[in-house]
Amino acid sequence: DGGITQSPKYLFRKEGQNVTLSCEQNLNHDAMYWYRQDPGQGLRLIYYSQIVNDFQKGDIAEGYSVSREKKESFPLTVTSAQKNPTAFYLCASSDPGRGRAEAFFGQGTRLTVV
Amino acid sequence: GEDVEQSLFLSVREGDSSVINCTYTDSSSTYLYWYKQEPGAGLQLLTYIFSNMDMKQDQRLTVLLNKKDKHLSLRIADTQTGDSAIYFCAESSSNTGKLIFGQGTTLQVKP
Repeated sequence: DGGITQSPKYLFRKEGQNVTLSCEQNLNHDAMYWYRQDPGQGLRLIYYSQIVNDFQKGDIAEGYSVSREKKESFPLTVTSAQKNPTAFYLCASSDPGRGRAEAFFGQGTRLTVV
Repeated sequence: GEDVEQSLFLSVREGDSSVINCTYTDSSSTYLYWYKQEPGAGLQLLTYIFSNMDMKQDQRLTVLLNKKDKHLSLRIADTQTGDSAIYFCAESSSNTGKLIFGQGTTLQVKP
C-alpha cells in the first residue's frame, strides 16, 4: 500500500537536545511538507521541499532544520533553538507539478519536552 | 496575507445534516480542501474542489463554493457518530502545493 510513514509516534526530548523526526513516502511524490499543530490551532507550515536537494522555509522555520537527500525521505530536526517544541508534527506529500494537488498526510509524531 | 477562518465547534444529533463553514481571503486560491482528523491521528483528505466549480457531491458529502463571497461549506448528510472529528478547511494557491489551514471545526455528534 502506498502512503506516508512517520516515526516515532511519540517522542520525548530533554531541554537542550536535538531530535529528528522521520518521514518516508512511497507515493512517488515530488513535494514533501512538515506542519506543526498546536491545540485549537490549524496547521502551520515549517518547511517544504519541491524536489530532491532543495527545500524552502515555511511560516515557522526558526529552530527547525530539514534535509531532502532522497525523494522518499524528508526528516525534520527540532533543534535546541526551538523554544517551544511540544506539539504534534505532521508530514505530508503531494505532486502539484503534475496537476495532483491533493496532499496526503502521515499519522503524526507527538513531541513532548520533559 | 492569506487567511482561512472556521467556526470552532458544531454539535448535531445523529441522523441530522451537518454544515461546516469556512471563509478565505486569497482570491487566487486554486484548490480548496476539506480534511478530517480523528483524535491522535493524521489528516484524512475528504474532498476538494477546484476554484472554477461551485459544487461537488461525493456520497454523503456536498461541497459548496461561493467565489464572490470567498465562502466554502461542507455538508454531511445523515451524520453518524463516526463522523465526530475535527474538520479542517484548507486552500492552495500556488504550484508549490503549500496549504493554508483554518483552525478546525470540532464536530460533535450526539446519539
